[in-house]
Amino acid sequence: GENVEQHPSTLSVQEGDSAVIKCTYSDSASNYFPWYKQELGKGPQLIIDIRSNVGEKKDQRIAVTLNKTAKHFSLHITETQPEDSAVYFCAALISGSARQLTFGSGTQLTVLP
Amino acid sequence: AAGVIQSPRHLIKEKRETATLKCYPIPRHDTVYWYQQGPGQDPQFLISFYEKMQSDKGSIPDRFSAQQFSDYHSELNMSSLELGDSALYFCASSESDRGMPDIQYFGAGTRLSVL
Repeated sequence: GENVEQHPSTLSVQEGDSAVIKCTYSDSASNYFPWYKQELGKGPQLIIDIRSNVGEKKDQRIAVTLNKTAKHFSLHITETQPEDSAVYFCAALISGSARQLTFGSGTQLTVLP
Repeated sequence: AAGVIQSPRHLIKEKRETATLKCYPIPRHDTVYWYQQGPGQDPQFLISFYEKMQSDKGSIPDRFSAQQFSDYHSELNMSSLELGDSALYFCASSESDRGMPDIQYFGAGTRLSVL
């Protein structure tokens, strides 16, 4: 099955700085890669996703890049704000077959004011 | 916009009791997924249903069962509860789109505590 590794497990940045979280996946058949933000006591909230036919996608301060050859994808948050503090999960899915998401282990992002 | 609704939000049970968790998907979504998240861990896929039929099965214990009803809501039934079942249980829903990845939207979860 699919295996997703995520780094770092914790990340502290100063407000206004950028944050980068990286994930690798094992199954080359994976073709959909969402990122979720989870605040304490809440469910995962989809913040951005990318499909395997695209190398980069941007939505305001958030961007995701995908390198299919190396089987890794990254989340980039620019101009971080204290409200960006949360746990971020990457995930991978093999569309068309088993449709369950395989999650990375999560990154606790803390934005220091 | 309507979101995935889960009930109850919190549930306290004792060992060997049973529990039923409910999930109401986003309107027009035809697929429901259940995930279990232990403390400090990532969500682990349990089971999913598409058009009221079980579609995929993950690491769901035999003590657990689930179904999706005609109105697309789903219930996760958990019997002979163990201390290790204490976790957050999330339901997600998606609208199947032939040939496209299903975007999964998560509910707020049910926190189950087994004493």
